[in-house]
Amino acid sequence: DVKVTQSSRYLVKRTGEKVFLECVQDMDHENMFWYRQDPGLGLRLIYFSYDVKMKEKGDIPEGYSVSREKKERFSLILESASTNQTSMYLCASSLSGQGADQPQHFGDGTRLSIL
Amino acid sequence: GEDVEQSLFLSVREGDSSVINCTYTDSSSTYLYWYKQEPGAGLQLLTYIFSNMDMKQDQRLTVLLNKKDKHLSLRIADTQTGDSAIYFCAEISGNTPLVFGKGTRLSVIA
Repeated sequence: DVKVTQSSRYLVKRTGEKVFLECVQDMDHENMFWYRQDPGLGLRLIYFSYDVKMKEKGDIPEGYSVSREKKERFSLILESASTNQTSMYLCASSLSGQGADQPQHFGDGTRLSIL
Repeated sequence: GEDVEQSLFLSVREGDSSVINCTYTDSSSTYLYWYKQEPGAGLQLLTYIFSNMDMKQDQRLTVLLNKKDKHLSLRIADTQTGDSAIYFCAEISGNTPLVFGKGTRLSVIA
């Protein structure tokens, strides 16, 4: 079975801190994704990557950056955390460079609170 | 951009059938997916359908696709309390990430 592991289930940080959310997948997937999930807004795509050292902006990249130095790891970085970044963050991965017929597999999520 | 719409809430009695509906705008969608999210967890893939199919059945789950109307539905037969969750519809076309609906919260009343 595909395993997507997010390093923390719950995280509490302070405004202005630099925050790192880590995601690791064990199935040699090319594609990796970061979403945030908020009540009434569903999932919103922050950044995605189709290959090592490659990244693409999603729908809401402002205030975030990402790093993909190794194929299995995709990190989301909050450069200077703000309270409006309090949310549930979900990482996903999928096989193939095209992503057409391969479903995304999700981690369990990180619930991040910014105080 | 492309859009996927779902109603936000559905309530059914245990043992009844649930039908969750979804509409999408991208006529070039190749695959459509249903995901389930239980409280405090990530999304779990339930089933998916290729766009040249109009029905797919998998145990208690039936997916119907009306490509002309861009309408997708998920029917859960004999709904159980363990089916209570948020259900997301998603579509993909070409080399783009999945586009998700906002999710339908299914509540099953015992």
